[in-house]
Amino acid sequence: QVQLQESGPGLVKPLQTLSLTCTVSGGSINSGSNYWSWIRQPAGKGLEWIGRIHKSGTTNYNPSLKNRVTISVDTSKNQFSLNLTSVTAADTAVYYCARVTLLGDWFFDFWGRGTLVTVSS
Amino acid sequence: SYELTQPLSLSVALGQTARITCGGHNIGSKNVNWYQLRPGQAPALVIYRDSNRPSGIPERFSGSNSGNTATLTISRAQAGDEAEYYCQMWDSDTGVFGTGTKVTVL
Repeated sequence: QVQLQESGPGLVKPLQTLSLTCTVSGGSINSGSNYWSWIRQPAGKGLEWIGRIHKSGTTNYNPSLKNRVTISVDTSKNQFSLNLTSVTAADTAVYYCARVTLLGDWFFDFWGRGTLVTVSS
Repeated sequence: SYELTQPLSLSVALGQTARITCGGHNIGSKNVNWYQLRPGQAPALVIYRDSNRPSGIPERFSGSNSGNTATLTISRAQAGDEAEYYCQMWDSDTGVFGTGTKVTVL
């Protein structure tokens, strides 16, 4: 059973960079044709897709965040990471990482429990 | 950008049927997935590609998709089904989530 675990600072100052890592266990990032994704949920709001990365390094980003987001992968550590620059209070949210699987079409089949990141001085 | 609209909330009596809709332009031509979010737990995939159940998801969960509406149906609702539910699809290479529905089991 694939498991994902988010880690990183719970508090980030405005205009700084939010950095999170997702560690994958029970399966290899290097196997199959999966993508690996970041999704967030601000308090009291809905889910927002941030972006995804393939083991090859190919990425796709939400157009609304594209200018501030970078997702990278470290296959040797079985991890992938999120960097979000110039954060504001609007970036305060629970951040989830998830595996994206292809079976006729793409879907998120395994998720982490999420980590709360607060943007505040 | 593509938008998916869900009712904000829905109540269902224990043992009855809940139907959660997800509206979008010609959504019937897309593949729709559904996720369940319960507090303190990792989100769970409950339906993929309109009507397919992952392993471990009860048969009480079913899905359909036609025209401008996709629907998640929860039959014989149980207390454990109380959660937020989100539809989701791909608009080219961009993931799109619905606005989410809070389901309360009475």
